[in-house]
Amino acid sequence: SQTIHQWPATLVQPVGSPLSLECTVEGTSNPNLYWYRQAAGRGLQLLFYSVGIGQISSEVPQNLSASRPQDRQFILSSKKLLLSDSGFYLCAWRPHKNTEAFFGQGTRLTVV
Amino acid sequence: GENVEQHPSTLSVQEGDSAVIKCTYSDSASNYFPWYKQELGKGPQLIIDIRSNVGEKKDQRIAVTLNKTAKHFSLHITETQPEDSAVYFCAASYNAGNMLTFGGGTRLMVKP
Repeated sequence: SQTIHQWPATLVQPVGSPLSLECTVEGTSNPNLYWYRQAAGRGLQLLFYSVGIGQISSEVPQNLSASRPQDRQFILSSKKLLLSDSGFYLCAWRPHKNTEAFFGQGTRLTVV
Repeated sequence: GENVEQHPSTLSVQEGDSAVIKCTYSDSASNYFPWYKQELGKGPQLIIDIRSNVGEKKDQRIAVTLNKTAKHFSLHITETQPEDSAVYFCAASYNAGNMLTFGGGTRLMVKP
């Protein structure tokens, strides 16, 4: 069966520090991968998605970047965090277009 | 691109009552409509979905209806229980698209 792992679960980082959040998927190949951000009490904002290794699409201009170095690995990064980067970050995958998305458990990032 | 509107943003019901959450979408090409439940501090999980060749789908106390002409779909929860309390998201996607567009979410509170 397929599983998605996302870590860390919580993270407190100072302003200006770098960020690296990792997501891996097991039990499938060539999934579509997604990074979402959820501000407190708000909806899901799509940040990046990837349909293959090295293929990244960005949905919003921001302080973050994403990379897909391996088929089932998706990384969210920042060189210098801002206070506004605080939020709940969710990784998700889809086996194909037009199917359900499976979410990881999320990372709660607090920038102080 | 697709735009999904979700109402209400908050909903409070008494245990045993029914709850209805409504969503509208803008892109007539959308043909897949999932609903997700997100419990506090966790990633969203699929609870039910519907495709455009079906008008209604039921799974125990949960049902989803779709009106393609009007471009709206609804989630119906009957005999609500306290454990139904969570944030619910609707979403839409289409065959050729890579993205799943989410509504803004509804916080459902079931009072015992």
